[in-house]
Amino acid sequence: AQKVTQAQTEISVVEKEDVTLDCVYETRDTTYYLFWYKQPPSGELVFLIRRNSFDEQNEISGRYSWNFQKSTSSFNFTITASQVVDSAVYFCALSEDYNAGNMLTFGGGTRLMVKP
Amino acid sequence: KAGVTQTPRYLIKTRGQQVTLSCSPISGHRSVSWYQQTPGQGLQFLFEYFSETQRNKGNFPGRFSGRQFSNSRSEMNVSTLELGDSALYLCASSLAWTGQGETQYFGPGTRLLVL
Repeated sequence: AQKVTQAQTEISVVEKEDVTLDCVYETRDTTYYLFWYKQPPSGELVFLIRRNSFDEQNEISGRYSWNFQKSTSSFNFTITASQVVDSAVYFCALSEDYNAGNMLTFGGGTRLMVKP
Repeated sequence: KAGVTQTPRYLIKTRGQQVTLSCSPISGHRSVSWYQQTPGQGLQFLFEYFSETQRNKGNFPGRFSGRQFSNSRSEMNVSTLELGDSALYLCASSLAWTGQGETQYFGPGTRLLVL
């Protein structure tokens, strides 16, 4: 069965620090998809990135970067030069192959607090 | 393009009552999924609808049901409410049901409190 683990339940940093959020997943499928979502206090989940299992290239988008390593089943998320507006709960999620449709299995989330 | 909308945003019910939540997907999106978020269990998948058919269902009792209309709008219903049903219910839409990890875009959620 699929599983996503976010071992860090809460992280506190000071503005401008770099921070990495860890995500480890388990799946028996060879084709799968990984996602990161941000949940600000308003509650809505905001999509950040989607990655398929065949694309191990790291990705950078502004201050955000993602490191996907199949060898360690990890899909970590780094925020460079953090800002107060980055304070939120971040979720890593996994979607498996055809039979699962679009169903997402979420990790427990990491609450990031960025202090000024 | 307007995002996913959910109504109502907040709801207070008492045990034993039933509730219906509504979700309108992003225009052009035909797949709708529902998730329950609680502090104890986190985010859990309820069900997914595509072309008015339930395609997948999570591990929830039969009191939780849903449907999808021809315009892709979806409703979920919870009958005989229990205190443990208090949660944030999130709806997500995606373009289609391809089995290829379509990106899901979430609405603001309906916060249900059962007293």
